[in-house]
Amino acid sequence: DVKVTQSSRYLVKRTGEKVFLECVQDMDHENMFWYRQDPGLGLRLIYFSYDVKMKEKGDIPEGYSVSREKKERFSLILESASTNQTSMYLCASSLEGNEQYFGPGTRLTVT
Amino acid sequence: DQQVKQNSPSLSVQEGRISILNCDYTNSMFDYFLWYKKYPAEGPTFLISISSIKDKNEDGRFTVFLNKSAKHLSLHIVPSQPGDSAVYFCAALILYDYKLSFGAGTTVTVRA
Repeated sequence: DVKVTQSSRYLVKRTGEKVFLECVQDMDHENMFWYRQDPGLGLRLIYFSYDVKMKEKGDIPEGYSVSREKKERFSLILESASTNQTSMYLCASSLEGNEQYFGPGTRLTVT
Repeated sequence: DQQVKQNSPSLSVQEGRISILNCDYTNSMFDYFLWYKKYPAEGPTFLISISSIKDKNEDGRFTVFLNKSAKHLSLHIVPSQPGDSAVYFCAALILYDYKLSFGAGTTVTVRA
């Protein structure tokens, strides 16, 4: 079974803090993704990576950056957290262009 | 602008009856359509998919129908069970582009 793990299930941070969200997959997948899920908006793609050290902006990259130093690990960074970044963050991975496997999500609250 | 739309935010159905979830899309370049199911505090899990060259795909209680001319797909769950209560997301993919486009989701509640 594919396993995608995320470093935290729940996180509370203050406005202006730097936040790191970590994601690890164990199936040697090429592609990894970061989404945020908000009520009424579904899942929106923040960034994705199709190879180590490669990254592409998704639909809503503003205020975020990413890092992929190893194939199995994809990090999402909030350089200076703001209250409008309070959300559920979901990491996913895929082998080719098809089905994506999701982690359990991190519920981030910025106060 | 959202390319995948789920216009019904919620659906309530009695146990044993059919659940029909609808999804519309605007981009005729989509090659695959997928349905994901999500429970609270968990990540989405893949449910069923359909290629754009087919009009129906069935897997147990779940059937997806695709109408390309109408740019519309639907997910049928028969019979509905209490464990089907979840949020269902419709998603679409262009094969050379790894990104999935998601709808806003439909919350299904199955009543006993």
